[in-house]
Amino acid sequence: SAVISQKPSRDICQRGTSLTIQCQVDSQVTMMFWYRQQPGQSLTLIATANQGSEATYESGFVIDKFPISRPNLTFSTLTVSNMSPEDSSIYLCSVSQGAREAFFGQGTRLTVV
Amino acid sequence: QKEVEQNSGPLSVPEGAIASLNCTYSDRGSQSFFWYRQYSGKSPELIMSIYSNGDKEDGRFTAQLNKASQYVSLLIRDSQPSDSATYLCAVISGGSNYKLTFGKGTLLTVNP
Repeated sequence: SAVISQKPSRDICQRGTSLTIQCQVDSQVTMMFWYRQQPGQSLTLIATANQGSEATYESGFVIDKFPISRPNLTFSTLTVSNMSPEDSSIYLCSVSQGAREAFFGQGTRLTVV
Repeated sequence: QKEVEQNSGPLSVPEGAIASLNCTYSDRGSQSFFWYRQYSGKSPELIMSIYSNGDKEDGRFTAQLNKASQYVSLLIRDSQPSDSATYLCAVISGGSNYKLTFGKGTLLTVNP
């Protein structure tokens, strides 16, 4: 399986600010995804990060709030913009080679105060 | 809306027993099925994948898939306290562009 490095592992941020989360993979992967996991809940897909083009967002998530970049096949970033306490959550990067197994980074625990 | 349903639990079993976790899915076109284990405060860890009908065994874990019934299960034999975690069922639906849909998870507690 791919080795996935996600940074930062945790952060405490002031409301109204933005945080960029990085996801680095040690090998080229076809698919990269960003998930959110709120306390006590399951995973919700935010968007699919597309290499060289705009991300594909799920219902309820918009580019202005969660801009995503994917400049190549091993790296992606997720920005959480204009944060509010409701954005406090764990954000997870996931990678896969199509319809095969998906693997997760260690997650970023975000607290907005 | 493509859905994945799991018993939320909690499921409690004694050490050494068999733990049985169940999952149903709504999309008949689903093609790939996974079980993840998530310890509190950690990210999900893949423990089993299954793509065709029948059973797949890996050590103490057996995944079972029945596409006709739209049902996938995970059996954990000789359960250990270290198996205590939330188990997430995940499915790649047909035409989903390889996106995983997760169930809400089942919390398993193995009592020594």
